[in-house]
Amino acid sequence: GENVEQHPSTLSVQEGDSAVIKCTYSDSASNYFPWYKQELGKGPQLIIDIRSNVGEKKDQRIAVTLNKTAKHFSLHITETQPEDSAVYFCAASTSQGNLIFGKGTKLSVKP
Amino acid sequence: DSGVTQTPKHLITATGQRVTLRCSPRSGDLSVYWYQQSLDQGLQFLIHYYNGEERAKGNILERFSAQQFPDLHSELNLSSLELGDSALYFCASSFESRAKNIQYFGAGTRLSVL
Repeated sequence: GENVEQHPSTLSVQEGDSAVIKCTYSDSASNYFPWYKQELGKGPQLIIDIRSNVGEKKDQRIAVTLNKTAKHFSLHITETQPEDSAVYFCAASTSQGNLIFGKGTKLSVKP
Repeated sequence: DSGVTQTPKHLITATGQRVTLRCSPRSGDLSVYWYQQSLDQGLQFLIHYYNGEERAKGNILERFSAQQFPDLHSELNLSSLELGDSALYFCASSFESRAKNIQYFGAGTRLSVL
């Protein structure tokens, strides 16, 4: 069935360093790839998304890249700050109209 | 604040019981999605409703059911509860039914089955 794999499951970086989270998907029909940030005790919040007709998208310190041929997409956070510490989820759309999520990456940014 | 409201925030109940979780979507959104989040499974899609009609089902157990009412709020009913049903339950809403539409998540309901 449809599946999204996300790596790593945990990531620890020093403040100011970059963080990269990678996801692969299995459904060739997927054409929308959002990234969500979930802070403790809160619901997931969309931070950036990319559609299949674009290879890269940036929003300040956050960027996402998409390689449709290889079926993988990545989240890049530059100049990390302690407030970036959270769990990040990637997701891919399905032909049914819903999202399949990766299992999450717990990012810790050490001051 | 995402604009999606979920009640209650916490629910503690016993095995074999039945509970109802409620979700009010953002104003103007027609789609409601339900997800289950457990420690080892991440966010699992349960079911999607659009303007009162069921649009897609994920890994939803037969003991679970949902509906979306004419005012667009949705309820997720969980019956014959088991210990393994303890989890966070999120609903999300979007304007349309296509997955390309941004889904906005509520703060979730934490269900504890004792």
